[in-house]
Amino acid sequence: DTEVTQTPKHLVMGMTNKKSLKCEQHMGHRAMYWYKQKAKKPPELMFVYSYEKLSINESVPSRFSPECPNSSLLNLHLHALQPEDSALYLCASSQGLGGDEQFFGPGTRLTVL
Amino acid sequence: GQNIDQPTEMTATEGAIVQINCTYQTSGFNGLFWYQQHAGEAPTFLSYNVLDGLEEKGRFSSFLSRSKGYSYLLLKELQMKDSASYLCAVRVYILTGGGNKLTFGTGTQLKVEL
Repeated sequence: DTEVTQTPKHLVMGMTNKKSLKCEQHMGHRAMYWYKQKAKKPPELMFVYSYEKLSINESVPSRFSPECPNSSLLNLHLHALQPEDSALYLCASSQGLGGDEQFFGPGTRLTVL
Repeated sequence: GQNIDQPTEMTATEGAIVQINCTYQTSGFNGLFWYQQHAGEAPTFLSYNVLDGLEEKGRFSSFLSRSKGYSYLLLKELQMKDSASYLCAVRVYILTGGGNKLTFGTGTQLKVEL
């Protein structure tokens, strides 16, 4: 299995809702990442987990809360989002933090009304 | 911080060769990646350079000069399906927290025409 899966594919939520994005990989990778990508812009790193511990938080607002329950799963909990948070949220994984290629999931297209 | 520059758009003809340039300024440089991204899809890995020189992978090659802060992606025998955005990404080592992070350039939208 050489893929990263993400659910849901699309999500529409109101500003008062609480929702979660899920990411899963079964490649035995020990580093997992969340990126945010706006239209016609490059992916921007949000969080990095290494061995299930948060390694990097790129000063992301607290309305985004990551969680890594085990080495295969990565969640992103969303609460009180703003319309400007609408974007494609990409999950990625790599063998380690030592610098291998990152494999990206298909992303969740999030719309905040 | 990092500064990564790529041309915004390029157009080339099917069967031709195209070179997409990327220049960067960064500290803690630890490698340069090229990704391809079709509209609405996830980025897919194309190539990686950490030392100076040319890396060849089928129709795709990538070159790196660390002293010049410069890389290029060369695509040969262009096909219509190569129409996509090509993202240059610089990896830097992060002292606090450990590990590496990727910072992407703005991407080059390549259009392949008949």
